[in-house]
Amino acid sequence: NAGVTQTPKFQVLKTGQSMTLQCAQDMNHNSMYWYRQDPGMGLRLIYYSASEGTTDKGEVPNGYNVSRLNKREFSLRLESAAPSQTSVYFCASSRRQGKSYNEQFFGPGTRLTVL
Amino acid sequence: AQSVTQLDSQVPVFEEAPVELRCNYSSSVSVYLFWYVQYPNQGLQLLLKYLSGSTLVESINGFEAEFNKSQTSFHLRKPSVHISDTAEYFCAVSPGPGGYNKLIFGAGTRLAVHP
Repeated sequence: NAGVTQTPKFQVLKTGQSMTLQCAQDMNHNSMYWYRQDPGMGLRLIYYSASEGTTDKGEVPNGYNVSRLNKREFSLRLESAAPSQTSVYFCASSRRQGKSYNEQFFGPGTRLTVL
Repeated sequence: AQSVTQLDSQVPVFEEAPVELRCNYSSSVSVYLFWYVQYPNQGLQLLLKYLSGSTLVESINGFEAEFNKSQTSFHLRKPSVHISDTAEYFCAVSPGPGGYNKLIFGAGTRLAVHP
């Protein structure tokens, strides 16, 4: 099992350009998440998808959109990139949400720089 | 709202010395507590978790953490560190039973183990 995979690993954009970060998991998990990691701020939740067909905003959703393409894939789109979106982006997945906790498994991250 | 404070941004320590990484949280409801570790250029891995039961939890590589409800703390300790423990450590909180698997992370503590 590859676990959670993310593409690309690195990306440099100019202000105003758009791009989509891809995430896929092969663990048959229902829930998927997108975080951004900034120095001194830990990880902050951008969007999450509790199950296929649903998406919800997290703590810092502005400037992003997501698509839960199917059970395996959850993409994050930047429509018009800004320097403030320079960050490391992590995708994660878990078995399901609900009354019991399910561990989140993280991908290796995408390092994005917006000039 | 829940929040997590990691009291030290960096902790330098010599090999084989003991270490404590401090974490305090605030929440008005019962919570689950976690420590994640991030090795250089990698994603996050779950180190240990407190869901219920014994307040002392242990990981397979010698770390332990104690849930202290009265002090709202979940400090991470290891009696003797190795060079390989050099990494960034994140404390996180999630709503307890009945909540969703949304994680709130602290800002992280960078542990640097020196020979």
